Amino acid sequence: DAGVIQSPRHEVTEMGQEVTLRCKPISGHNSLFWYRQTMMRGLELLIYFNNNVPIDDSGMPEDRFSAKMPNASFSTLKIQPSEPRDSAVYFCASSEATQGHRGYTFGSGTRLTVV
Amino acid sequence: LAKTTQPISMDSYEGQEVNITCSHNNIATNDYITWYQQFPSQGPRFIIQGYKTKVTNEVASLFIPADRKSSTLSLPRVSLSDTAVYYCLVGPANSNDYKLSFGAGTTVTVRA
Repeated sequence: DAGVIQSPRHEVTEMGQEVTLRCKPISGHNSLFWYRQTMMRGLELLIYFNNNVPIDDSGMPEDRFSAKMPNASFSTLKIQPSEPRDSAVYFCASSEATQGHRGYTFGSGTRLTVV
Repeated sequence: LAKTTQPISMDSYEGQEVNITCSHNNIATNDYITWYQQFPSQGPRFIIQGYKTKVTNEVASLFIPADRKSSTLSLPRVSLSDTAVYYCLVGPANSNDYKLSFGAGTTVTVRA
């Protein structure tokens, strides 16, 4: 398996532009997570999907952020409009529910820079 | 989820053993202790999990005393490539608990 695949690896955009981050989870994993990592706040859980359904989006910072999972093999995280404070590394992770804490596989992340 | 406390950073040299202790005083009976490792520019990856006593795999060993209020991750004979952030997490190992809550972790720097 190729693991969790995220694209793009790097994104530089201007303030106010729309940004879309993409994630392909591991086949057979029924849970998907979006995390954001910054030096100041560490790793923060943004949203969690189970069987393609959003279960907990309490970590989404504000309405400018939205996430979708149209099918079991694809998810997007969109920021519209983007702001400089959104600059961070965004990670997608997937897991199989029966594995508990040991079963999370993270992608390599998307480094977002908003100028 | 039980709160964990671990050192912010540790320095070591190649070939030495590195021991990182994590405190989790309010660990619950059904909680497991899980460690993740994050290399620069990569996402975290699972390295080891345990409930009590000792667990060993090809990457590390995990020592858990009888009271389970702390645990120690041991990295034998570290190399430069072991430089990473190590996260200790505590929580029930069942499908209802989905949230991985990462603290600041311990930044381990291995020098030549």
